[in-house]
Amino acid sequence: AQSVTQLDSQVPVFEEAPVELRCNYSSSVSVYLFWYVQYPNQGLQLLLKYLSGSTLVKGINGFEAEFNKSQTSFHLRKPSVHISDTAEYFCAVSSRNQAGTALIFGKGTTLSVSS
Amino acid sequence: NAGVMQNPRHLVRRRGQEARLRCSPMKGHSHVYWYRQLPEEGLKFMVYLQKENIIDESGMPKERFSAEFPKEGPSILRIQQVVRGDSAAYFCASSPGQAYSGNTIYFGEGSWLTVV
Repeated sequence: AQSVTQLDSQVPVFEEAPVELRCNYSSSVSVYLFWYVQYPNQGLQLLLKYLSGSTLVKGINGFEAEFNKSQTSFHLRKPSVHISDTAEYFCAVSSRNQAGTALIFGKGTTLSVSS
Repeated sequence: NAGVMQNPRHLVRRRGQEARLRCSPMKGHSHVYWYRQLPEEGLKFMVYLQKENIIDESGMPKERFSAEFPKEGPSILRIQQVVRGDSAAYFCASSPGQAYSGNTIYFGEGSWLTVV
């Protein structure tokens, strides 16, 4: 079975500062990794995903994430945040080649960007 | 291409009543997932369905909850005899193929259930 740990429940930052949201996963099999964003009272929107290939993945809104297999991590980064990035961010994992499995999510990290 | 459509967006039920949440997946998607979101708990997987079949219901409470995805029509998440603890946001998602193949899962806007 897989599990996802988002190490920070809340991350407050100032506008234009860099940010890193941390995510570690646990799985006995190879995985795919995802980051989703949720704005208040809305559904989840895919930011980026890692399937294979380059370990540095670029997504929408200037976000990127790096897959580190040895550390079982998939941290999300943005070099300069905006007020509009304030939202809940979820890391998720699904198993490769294991039929019948869905996405498993972490508990989320609330990013609060202030001026 | 319309996204995943959920209705109702907001539903209020008295304790003991039934709640029915509907989900129409994106066009061409035959895989549907239901998640429940409680404050401070993130999204919890409930059930994974493919047309007419339940693939994985390991996250579904054993009593009062059921889900279906018929050959025609939307997927339905049904909660019988609701209790206050059922108050939550319920999200439906869909994908064109199995998640294990790397298919992206797309989410709806959610249905907020309040039990009074």
